[in-house]
Formats: sequence, C-alpha cells, structure tokens
Amino acid sequence: AQSVSQHNHHVILSEAASLELGCNYSYGGTVNLFWYVQYPGQHLQLLLKYFSGDPLVKGIKGFEAEFIKSKFSFNLRKPSVQWSDTAEYFCAVNVDTGRRALTFGSGTRLQVQP
Amino acid sequence: ETGVTQSPTHLIKTRGQQVTLRCSSQSGHNTVSWYQQALGQGPQFIFQYYREEENGRGNFPPRFSGLQFPNYSSELNVNALELDDSALYLCASSLEVEQETQYFGPGTRLLVL
Repeated sequence: AQSVSQHNHHVILSEAASLELGCNYSYGGTVNLFWYVQYPGQHLQLLLKYFSGDPLVKGIKGFEAEFIKSKFSFNLRKPSVQWSDTAEYFCAVNVDTGRRALTFGSGTRLQVQP
Repeated sequence: ETGVTQSPTHLIKTRGQQVTLRCSSQSGHNTVSWYQQALGQGPQFIFQYYREEENGRGNFPPRFSGLQFPNYSSELNVNALELDDSALYLCASSLEVEQETQYFGPGTRLLVL
C-alpha cells in the first residue's frame, strides 16, 4: 500500500522567510498529488494539485510545489511567508488504481512569527 | 467555504452506542468520501460513495457503514462505538469526472466515553 511521509512535524519561521515543506510518497506507479491546508478552526482547503505535465505547480496564496519523480517527492514552497500562513499542511497522494481515495501524510504544523 | 456541510458539529457518545453522521455535498458533486482524522494525524480514508453505491473502502471494520442518497447527501454510521473511534470525521465531495480532487467539509468531532 502507498504511504506518504512528511518529515517536518513542526516548523517555526519568521515573517518573510522562505518555506519548504517536504513530502515523500512510496508508490512506483502513476500518482496524483495534492497539498491541503487547514487554518486554525477551519476545514481542509485544497492548495494545489498535480496530475501530469509541468512538474512545477502553482497554487493559491503564492504557494507552489515541485514533483520530482526520481525522488518520489512533492515539496511545497513559498518564497516569503506571512503570519496568516500559520496552519497545518497536509500532503496527499492518490494512486491511479481506480479507487479515488486520498492517502494523507501526518501533517506539518507551520507557525509564522510576526 | 467549499459548500460541503456536515452535522452535527460535535457529538459525545458512550462505548457500545451507535452514531450517524451526515454530509451534504457541494452542488453538482455526486461523489462523497469519508475520512477519519485522529488527533495529530492526517485523515484516513474510510470509504467512498458514487451513485449510491460504495466505490472503495479503506481499512475499517464493517461496523463502519454508509449510505448515499439520490440528492448525493451521505451518512456515515458507526455501530458498537469504541474509545478509539474518538476523532474528527470528515466528509469530502467531488465531481464524477475528477473524483480524486476532493473538497472537504468542516467535520464532526466525535468523542466516545
């Protein structure tokens, strides 16, 4: 079965710092990849997704992610974080087996200090 | 806001009881998926419903069951509640043509005592 690893459990940054959150998955076939964000007290929101094509994907709120197939990675980046980016970030993968389930990582809690 | 709604928002039950959670999908979405999110963990897939039929199931026992109605709303039923069932239960809806892209509701927080 596929799995998703998010190695950074808790990240603390100052405003304007650059962000990179790691995500690795274990599956050798075709995958669809997602990043979701959960702001305090709010529901999971889709930040961006990758199905195919350009491995550099741009999402909402200035986030982007790069799919590196050889490394089984889909890291999330943002050049300059804001206090409002404080949230929990989840990487998720769907494998192309006909069952449209998402497998999530355990999440990374990002705290941005003003 | 995704347009996915869930009820109730919070629920307290005792071990052995049964619970029903409800979800209304986003307009136009005919696929509904349910996830369990334990504290400090990512969501885990329970099952998915499409056209009122179960369309895939995760590693959950049969006491977790579901229904989807003709208006695409859905229910998650859990029988014989256990303490470990305490979690946030999330419903997500998606379009038939892109079932992988799922839009989540706010969740129902269940506490089993």
